[in-house]
Amino acid sequence: DVQMTQSPSSLSASLGDRVTITCRASQSIGTFLNWYQYKSGKAPKLLIYAASTLQGGVPSRFSGSGSGTDFTLTISTLQPEDCATYYCQQSANAPWTFGQGTKVELK
Amino acid sequence: QLLESGGGWVQPGGSLRLSCEASGFTFTTYAMNWVRQTPEKGLEWVSSISNSGATTFYADSVKGRFSISRDNSKNILYLQMNNLRAEDTAIYYCAKDSRGGITARFDPWGQGTLVTVSS
Repeated sequence: DVQMTQSPSSLSASLGDRVTITCRASQSIGTFLNWYQYKSGKAPKLLIYAASTLQGGVPSRFSGSGSGTDFTLTISTLQPEDCATYYCQQSANAPWTFGQGTKVELK
Repeated sequence: QLLESGGGWVQPGGSLRLSCEASGFTFTTYAMNWVRQTPEKGLEWVSSISNSGATTFYADSVKGRFSISRDNSKNILYLQMNNLRAEDTAIYYCAKDSRGGITARFDPWGQGTLVTVSS
């Protein structure tokens, strides 16, 4: 199975800060990497697919990059509504696996 | 739109069947998925089924106990869960795939249904 490791597991940032979350795969997955936003009690939301393609309706302050084993999700200017837990997920090989999540909070 | 139902409390060893009613898109065109969430483990993929139902995948943790199926005439996805364990306690979400074959790109997701396995 492909193991997905995210870092950090949590972070605290100020409004307007640039936030970066990294995700590492245990083997090469090309660009078969998706990012989701999860708020407790709500449906998870797809933000980025194929490592860098912004899902329709997602604000442009979100961006993704990377290929192979190392990937990054960036929020260019943190907004209050971005407080959530973010997950990466590989879609290269079954079983499809998620990272452990990164909780983003406001400082 | 995806609307899950069928969750609830069940004792270890018991069974539940989850349903996911789909609307607003051509159900027969898309593969479908189940993903669960717990505070301890986060998001965990459970099972996927192709648009025709011919292809299915399961996580090792549920293989042999859970069964995914779909009724394309009713636009409903199912998850039959047998021999439930405490570690199956989670919010279960159904999620649409991006095409008929399984791509494991999950969007959108339903609101989820809570399954609690406890004595």
